[in-house]
Amino acid sequence: SQQGEEDPQALSIQEGENATMNCSYKTSINNLQWYRQNSGRGLVHLILIRSNEREKHSGRLRVTLDTSKKSSSLLITASRAADTASYFCATDRDDYKLSFGAGTTVTVRA
Amino acid sequence: NAGVTQTPKFQVLKTGQSMTLQCAQDMNHNSMYWYRQDPGMGLRLIYYSASEGTTDKGEVPNGYNVSRLNKREFSLRLESAAPSQTSVYFCASSDLTGVPEKLFFGSGTQLSVL
Repeated sequence: SQQGEEDPQALSIQEGENATMNCSYKTSINNLQWYRQNSGRGLVHLILIRSNEREKHSGRLRVTLDTSKKSSSLLITASRAADTASYFCATDRDDYKLSFGAGTTVTVRA
Repeated sequence: NAGVTQTPKFQVLKTGQSMTLQCAQDMNHNSMYWYRQDPGMGLRLIYYSASEGTTDKGEVPNGYNVSRLNKREFSLRLESAAPSQTSVYFCASSDLTGVPEKLFFGSGTQLSVL
């Protein structure tokens, strides 16, 4: 069963705008990861945030984690056409299983 | 670096046929995984291998078998394909045994079972 669920399912923004997507999960975690999937390709790891961290940055990406609410958000600033993709959160449930949500599809319009 | 290589990229099978999906990684990773991706359901773990010679079932193992041939290669076999196995299959690897902190994915195999 899915541990994480992303919201919204789809997002359409203008180039240069920011994109925010959220992930909620059900049980306690060690870490939470975000992945990107371009159409027809495999997933690519973007960023990992540990359960004792609240915020993390990587380039134009900002991830927050609120363990009390069991939720995380991914912010992409100054979006570009190349950011058009599906974004997935992944949480660990036990020693080797990563549970992926169904993803948020982001479309960046020129 | 090639990373994780999957073959074939596309395959069409008839119900009852068998086939093996191949996966190889050149990053000297210990752990390897097989996932399937279906619309609206995210990725679901089929099988996992922490090291050469060891395999464990994931969430949806029924109808599949795996072989960890060596450290580089991890194959997925469908013995008698069913339409419910129509999906996109991804192989992934991680350099950690245990809780994976970064998975490297192949480009996927799109499988249709008629």
